[in-house]
Amino acid sequence: AQSVSQHNHHVILSEAASLELGCNYSYGGTVNLFWYVQYPGQHLQLLLKYFSGDPLVKGIKGFEAEFIKSKFSFNLRKPSVQWSDTAEYFCAVNAGDDKIIFGKGTRLHILP
Amino acid sequence: DTAVSQTPKYLVTQMGNDKSIKCEQNLGHDTMYWYKQDSKKFLKIMFSYNNKELIINETVPNRFSPKSPDKAHLNLHINSLELGDSAVYFCASSQPGLAGYYEQYFGPGTRLTVT
Repeated sequence: AQSVSQHNHHVILSEAASLELGCNYSYGGTVNLFWYVQYPGQHLQLLLKYFSGDPLVKGIKGFEAEFIKSKFSFNLRKPSVQWSDTAEYFCAVNAGDDKIIFGKGTRLHILP
Repeated sequence: DTAVSQTPKYLVTQMGNDKSIKCEQNLGHDTMYWYKQDSKKFLKIMFSYNNKELIINETVPNRFSPKSPDKAHLNLHINSLELGDSAVYFCASSQPGLAGYYEQYFGPGTRLTVT
């Protein structure tokens, strides 16, 4: 069965620090990969997605993610975080079927 | 225009009651979903409908019954509410493509509190 692991459950950073959130999935075939963000009290919004092509994907608000097929990973990065990036971040995988599997989320807290 | 809308936004009710949450999408998507997000923010899929037909039914008590009158609507009816049903329920829609499913668009959520 497909699964998604987000290793960091809670991350605390100061403003301007660099961010990397880990995401690994377990599926050997072709996958579609997503990162969603959920700001406090709001719904999930798409940050970025990977379907094919360049494994380095750029999303909104300065976020990017790199798909490394050999490592089954799709880590999210941002060179300099802001206080407004405080949110819950979800990695998700679709293996071409009807389901999109979400990770358990990483709570990011940015100190002003 | 709101892409995926849900009503109500907040729902407070007593144990044993029956309640419904409505969801509508105006994106023209064929597939709609219901997710439950618990207090730890864990997002769990409950149901998925493709063009009014049930395609995913995870291990959910049969007190939960989805209804899709047309492909733009997916309502969730819950019978005999229990304390453990308290959560935020998100509706989402998506469109299947040649390479699987594209991103999901989420509604604003319905915070259900059972007392």
